[in-house]
Amino acid sequence: AQSVSQHNHHVILSEAASLELGCNYSYGGTVNLFWYVQYPGQHLQLLLKYFSGDPLVKGIKGFEAEFIKSKFSFNLRKPSVQWSDTAEYFCAGSAYTDKLIFGTGTRLQVFP
Amino acid sequence: DVKVTQSSRYLVKRTGEKVFLECVQDMDHENMFWYRQDPGLGLRLIYFSYDVKMKEKGDIPEGYSVSREKKERFSLILESASTNQTSMYLCASSRGQGIHQPQHFGDGTRLSIL
Repeated sequence: AQSVSQHNHHVILSEAASLELGCNYSYGGTVNLFWYVQYPGQHLQLLLKYFSGDPLVKGIKGFEAEFIKSKFSFNLRKPSVQWSDTAEYFCAGSAYTDKLIFGTGTRLQVFP
Repeated sequence: DVKVTQSSRYLVKRTGEKVFLECVQDMDHENMFWYRQDPGLGLRLIYFSYDVKMKEKGDIPEGYSVSREKKERFSLILESASTNQTSMYLCASSRGQGIHQPQHFGDGTRLSIL
């Protein structure tokens, strides 16, 4: 069955630290991958997406993700986090349909 | 900007009640979705719709039904609410042309069943 897994459930960082959140997927064939973010009290919004082409994808607010097909991974990175990055981050994927399968989410807390 | 509006941010209902959650989108999107979000479980798809009067079961449809009489509106119905349906409910919409279209989400309805 298709699935998306996020292994980091809760990450705590200080401002200016580097961030990497893991995401692994199990899909056969063509896959589309997304990272969404949910700031406290706000709706989910799209950070970035990968469909094809360059495996390094840049998103909003300085985030990027790298699609590594051989590792079935799509990890989210940011070189230097800010307090305002405190949020919950969701990886999601789709293949062949418009349905998205979400990971369980990673709660990021950034302390000043 | 796409706007997905859910009728209530917070809702409290009693066990056994019939509950309606409403969602409206303003971008003429073909696809609409209902999820529930629970801590540690992420988002789980309840139902989705590709077109007016069309619906498909998601991963956890039991205890729920949906209605899509107009393209912009997608309703989630809890036929007889139970305490295990206490959750955050999220509505989303997306364009229908291709599987790479991102979904746009509403603010959510936090539903408590007492």
